[in-house]
Amino acid sequence: ETGVTQTPRHLVMGMTNKKSLKCEQHLGHNAMYWYKQSAKKPLELMFVYNFKEQTENNSVPSRFSPECPNSSHLFLHLHTLQPEDSALYLCASSRTEGEQYFGPGTRLTVT
Amino acid sequence: DQQVKQNSPSLSVQEGRISILNCDYTNSMFDYFLWYKKYPAEGPTFLISISSIKDKNEDGRFTVFLNKSAKHLSLHIVPSQPGDSAVYFCAASALSNFGNEKLTFGTGTRLTIIP
Repeated sequence: ETGVTQTPRHLVMGMTNKKSLKCEQHLGHNAMYWYKQSAKKPLELMFVYNFKEQTENNSVPSRFSPECPNSSHLFLHLHTLQPEDSALYLCASSRTEGEQYFGPGTRLTVT
Repeated sequence: DQQVKQNSPSLSVQEGRISILNCDYTNSMFDYFLWYKKYPAEGPTFLISISSIKDKNEDGRFTVFLNKSAKHLSLHIVPSQPGDSAVYFCAASALSNFGNEKLTFGTGTRLTIIP
């Protein structure tokens, strides 16, 4: 596979569930990002990892827990989410400085 | 407070004509601007960018203009084609302390090209 992949593409979870989103990049990039896109709102940056180290946490609630085991993989662990957390979650990667390449996103619905 | 604004949620243009998408920003620290295109069920894809030291960048049918004094940029697509129908996001970048491009996005403009 090439580019940035995300699994699952769709996820429905209850507020008491624990689930994880996975992102993988095959571009040799060293930076990875999680974004949230809610309806009628701009893409919001959540987390940035550079060489596996978290360099940005954009005041994200602790019910979202990122994990970056290596420069090619990024996870977003979800627990006790709220219905307002329903959104499209996009992963992206880039070189340290350069345009970001996005995955297709995971459409999350919290019931 | 939204630092990057795309005030037109939608735009319809006849095929073959010019499409002009606009974007305004408020943060004077932004030094790099990008346009992304997004089709349904896909992530945004990079289209074209411009550095703050330039006022124009052209790539084929796509040209981005930057007016720093007005804090305004625009994307021109000419001639417009049906495949250009998508949502276009303007994004602005200020290097974070760690050297990453921290992008701030607008809300997007849905462009529809009418055959």
